[in-house]
Amino acid sequence: ETGVTQTPRHLVMGMTNKKSLKCEQHLGHNAMYWYKQSAKKPLELMFVYNFKEQTENNSVPSRFSPECPNSSHLFLHLHTLQPEDSALYLCASSQEDLRIIGGPDPGELFFGEGSRLTVL
Amino acid sequence: TQLLEQSPQFLSIQEGENLTVYCNSSSVFSSLQWYRQEPGEGPVLLVTVVTGGEVKKLKRLTFQFGDARKDSSLHITAAQPGDTGLYLCAATPNQAGTALIFGKGTTLSVSS
Repeated sequence: ETGVTQTPRHLVMGMTNKKSLKCEQHLGHNAMYWYKQSAKKPLELMFVYNFKEQTENNSVPSRFSPECPNSSHLFLHLHTLQPEDSALYLCASSQEDLRIIGGPDPGELFFGEGSRLTVL
Repeated sequence: TQLLEQSPQFLSIQEGENLTVYCNSSSVFSSLQWYRQEPGEGPVLLVTVVTGGEVKKLKRLTFQFGDARKDSSLHITAAQPGDTGLYLCAATPNQAGTALIFGKGTTLSVSS
C-alpha cells in the first residue's frame, strides 16, 4: 500500500459508544495530523504529532483522544460523542511539521480518504 | 483572526466553459496553496505559490498569487467533468510556528 490510508471509511455510532479511527502512512513522513471537515466550514486542525510527540491540541474536547504509537500510525479514539461531532475526519502527513519548516515553501500535506463519522 | 474567503461557494457549469474561482484575505501570507478534493477522497495538492504576482500553469489550470500576497485566483480553461470537486485554498501566515489556514472551498460541478 502507498500513501495515507484511513479505516474505517464510514462509521455510525451512538453517543455512548467507544470507537477508534485509524490512520497509517507509508511515506516515511515525520508529522501526522487529524483534521475535521464539516459542511460549510474550513478544515479544522485538531491534533499534530511530530516524531510521535503531540505538538498541537487545538482546543479539542476531551471526548477525542489521539494516540500515535509510532511515526507511521495515528489513532483517534472517540467516546461519548455528540451529534455535532458528525463530520469527515481526515488524517494527513507531511515530511516535516509544516509549522516549523521555515522558508517560503510550506511543504505539502498528504491526506487520507477520510472517515465519515455519523453520531446518532 | 486570519480568514480565507473563497468565492463562489458553488459553481455548476457545462463542459467546455471557462471559470475562475477566488481566494481572498485581508492578511498577507508567505505562501498559498490550492488543493482539490474529489468526491469520496482526501484533498490533493495542485500548486504552491510563494511570490507576489506569481503565475503557475498546470495543463488547463492557471493559478495566480496577488501582488500583495493577500489573494489568489484559479482559472480553468475548457472545463471537463474530471475537474469536478471541491477546490480549497490554504495559506501559510507570516507568523512563525502557525499552522496552515484553509478556506471553506468552492464546489465545482462540470456536466457533460
